[in-house]
Amino acid sequence: GQQLNQSPQSMFIQEGEDVSMNCTSSSIFNTWLWYKQEPGEGPVLLIALYKAGELTSNGRLTAQFGITRKDSFLNISASIPSDVGIYFCAGPQNTGTASKLTFGTGTRLQVTL
Amino acid sequence: SAVISQKPSRDICQRGTSLTIQCQVDSQVTMMFWYRQQPGQSLTLIATANQGSEATYESGFVIDKFPISRPNLTFSTLTVSNMSPEDSSIYLCSVYRPGETQYFGPGTRLLVL
Repeated sequence: GQQLNQSPQSMFIQEGEDVSMNCTSSSIFNTWLWYKQEPGEGPVLLIALYKAGELTSNGRLTAQFGITRKDSFLNISASIPSDVGIYFCAGPQNTGTASKLTFGTGTRLQVTL
Repeated sequence: SAVISQKPSRDICQRGTSLTIQCQVDSQVTMMFWYRQQPGQSLTLIATANQGSEATYESGFVIDKFPISRPNLTFSTLTVSNMSPEDSSIYLCSVYRPGETQYFGPGTRLLVL
């Protein structure tokens, strides 16, 4: 089946630093989604990417849809304490729509003051 | 958007018992899903809850263990049957609207002793 591997697995950074994480797949995806999960909550969508090569921003977050359609990157600039959480990439399971999702392994982010 | 609530938010259960988790959405949605998130792991799709018909289960999940009901377009239940400690997880429901995105509930945290 489809697998999404994220790296790094975890990150410990200082407030104000920039963060970069990536997600790679063994197969092609037509849509890439980036979610954030905070403790005690369900995942919340941050950014959706629909086109190879697409670069999309949401505030301090920027994500790119890799040109090969097998990877995606998420960058967070000037990190703040509320950025703490687990970041997941996700893609649709063979359907081409964002309905049934395969989730990545996750990147756990810790921000210190 | 969609506001999703789940009951209970958490529970501690004895092995061999069953627990039914409820998912309520604030508006009608076509597609509802149930996911499992084992401790420190990513999300794995259990099944698609189909309104008026039997749920569609993913590989590795069966109806006898995870019976699902979907009596209408705003409500679904997932039962975890004959529980063992390996069933300790967060169980999340989600909804998808075509043209929008997938929204997740806050999750139900289950601990089986």
